[in-house]
Amino acid sequence: AQKITQTQPGMFVQEKEAVTLDCTYDTSDPSYGLFWYKQPSSGEMIFLIYQGSYDQQNATEGRYSLNFQKARKSANLVISASQLGDSAMYFCAMREVTGTASKLTFGTGTRLQVTL
Amino acid sequence: EPEVTQTPSHQVTQMGQEVILRCVPISNHLYFYWYRQILGQKVEFLVSFYNNEISEKSEIFDDQFSVERPDGSNFTLKIRSTKLEDSAMYFCASSERKGITSGNTIYFGEGSWLTVV
Repeated sequence: AQKITQTQPGMFVQEKEAVTLDCTYDTSDPSYGLFWYKQPSSGEMIFLIYQGSYDQQNATEGRYSLNFQKARKSANLVISASQLGDSAMYFCAMREVTGTASKLTFGTGTRLQVTL
Repeated sequence: EPEVTQTPSHQVTQMGQEVILRCVPISNHLYFYWYRQILGQKVEFLVSFYNNEISEKSEIFDDQFSVERPDGSNFTLKIRSTKLEDSAMYFCASSERKGITSGNTIYFGEGSWLTVV
């Protein structure tokens, strides 16, 4: 079973509008963390926002917020006031702590295109 | 802002050749990782490294791969005898701790594109 599911392969949004990118996850571990990364066409992986499973408040970082619904196992990324520079691939990832390490499991990504 | 740096940014190598990808993690970080992304696919975990030893590795990380921290700053990924299917973007990443508390972020480098011909 997929641990991280991103069901939207591509999304379009108009400049200055808000957009929600979906992410659902599957784990039986009560301790986990959820990340969103942005990958522009140049290829680098840019950290956007993080939510720990025990965090009471939804994470926010500037124009990014994470809509964390633990019971539904969803961690959607909301980008407010979209800008042309937001056009990129967006990956949701889950961190599980295993013994002496932890690793990220990534979703398949959503390609966001911001239009004028 | 501290960052993970990787070299080379792009390398073309012949099948069967050895390749070493280099990374300088963020200085106060203790956990180091390599991930791989084949073109158009999702990012896959290869290996994690802590306290000078591998703490976990994936099925992809077979005997042709090795990692090393030869000094206090560099973290390297060696591919002993490259195959065509090793062509991918290789990301180094680091984190200060392994836990899930807020702020314990995993930071990625800009990646090294490896093309095997």
